[in-house]
Amino acid sequence: AQTVTQSQPEMSVQEAETVTLSCTYDTSESNYYLFWYKQPPSRQMILVIRQEAYKQQNATENRFSVNFQKAAKSFSLKISDSQLGDTAMYFCAFITIPNTGNQFYFGTGTSLTVIP
Amino acid sequence: DGGITQSPKYLFRKEGQNVTLSCEQNLNHDAMYWYRQDPGQGLRLIYYSQIVNDFQKGDIAEGYSVSREKKESFPLTVTSAQKNPTAFYLCASSISGAKNIQYFGAGTRLSVL
Repeated sequence: AQTVTQSQPEMSVQEAETVTLSCTYDTSESNYYLFWYKQPPSRQMILVIRQEAYKQQNATENRFSVNFQKAAKSFSLKISDSQLGDTAMYFCAFITIPNTGNQFYFGTGTSLTVIP
Repeated sequence: DGGITQSPKYLFRKEGQNVTLSCEQNLNHDAMYWYRQDPGQGLRLIYYSQIVNDFQKGDIAEGYSVSREKKESFPLTVTSAQKNPTAFYLCASSISGAKNIQYFGAGTRLSVL
């Protein structure tokens, strides 16, 4: 079974500080893509970052970076210099290759609050 | 502007009534998806479609139906058989292929009167 676990339902961080959101997943496939999506109060889902499992180098996107540990099936998101606009629900997700249905598997989310 | 449009933003259903949620995209994406979002449960896949006139059930298809007559449109009908329809519904689309990102609409909030 394909599963995604986000063990931190809620987190908070002071503005300008750094925070790490954890995610573990389970799949028997050896190749897949991992994603972090952000859902702000507007509820519009926005892609934050994407990681290809066959690449050892961790993906970065401005203040957002990941720590991808393939053997441990771990995919954490680090947000540096947190800003008030980072307040949102964050979802970890993955999709396996090959995949006949293009189906994403999502975690239950982590609600992040940035405190001024 | 290219994107995914969901309508209406808010929808109310009476007991025994079928309601249809609209999803339109002008991104020329082949694949489209419907998700249901409940508090504490993340996103669960209802139906998906990779090409016109073809669609597959997701994890929670019971009580829902879809059609894909045009590439741009993938409406979701919540039937009276869905006994707990109150939720936030998200539509997404992507270019076919596992590495491709899913893009989401702004969602529809469905409530039961």
